[in-house]
Amino acid sequence: NAGVTQTPKFQVLKTGQSMTLQCAQDMNHNSMYWYRQDPGMGLRLIYYSASEGTTDKGEVPNGYNVSRLNKREFSLRLESAAPSQTSVYFCASSEVHWRQLMNTEAFFGQGTRLTVV
Amino acid sequence: GENVEQHPSTLSVQEGDSAVIKCTYSDSASNYFPWYKQELGKGPQLIIDIRSNVGEKKDQRIAVTLNKTAKHFSLHITETQPEDSAVYFCAATPQNAGNMLTFGGGTRLMVKP
Repeated sequence: NAGVTQTPKFQVLKTGQSMTLQCAQDMNHNSMYWYRQDPGMGLRLIYYSASEGTTDKGEVPNGYNVSRLNKREFSLRLESAAPSQTSVYFCASSEVHWRQLMNTEAFFGQGTRLTVV
Repeated sequence: GENVEQHPSTLSVQEGDSAVIKCTYSDSASNYFPWYKQELGKGPQLIIDIRSNVGEKKDQRIAVTLNKTAKHFSLHITETQPEDSAVYFCAATPQNAGNMLTFGGGTRLMVKP
């Protein structure tokens, strides 16, 4: 019962390098999200995908791109990493009942700790 | 957009005592308020949630209260145990926002044996 799986768990990048964070969920959820977690600031939404084939910006999208590869997978890409992107990144998924306008539990992965030097 | 503030940022209690964490939100359209617990090295996990059509919800030692008029909601943990030690996050979202959560800054709860 894997839930939401993120890879890698840890990563160190040099300024200007690029990388892709991978996320996959096995709960057949329609919506997926990328958050970053910084001390004292809670989690902030970077991008989300309401359904396969759609993506939208969240609160802090600058410097990131995303791809909803299929219903299971949602990746986050840093094209040119900056020290300000040092953070812990969480992927989440939930089943959103758009017609019933009902929110349901969001399930989170274990996180990716990224350091940009 | 929504803004959620959470207090206190750290809370230390003796085992068996109660712990209360408070949050305020700004968007009157918000109507779903989950609470997440994050243990060291793990992702947040839902422990309880409340919707705007109720004022209080309880699940064993955990309860959440909501005051929509004042835009306040609180988490109450009774008979705390060492395994309750973790970081707790409140969050808020409107019903039509696709479950995009706005989180508070978090509370580090330490339960001393």
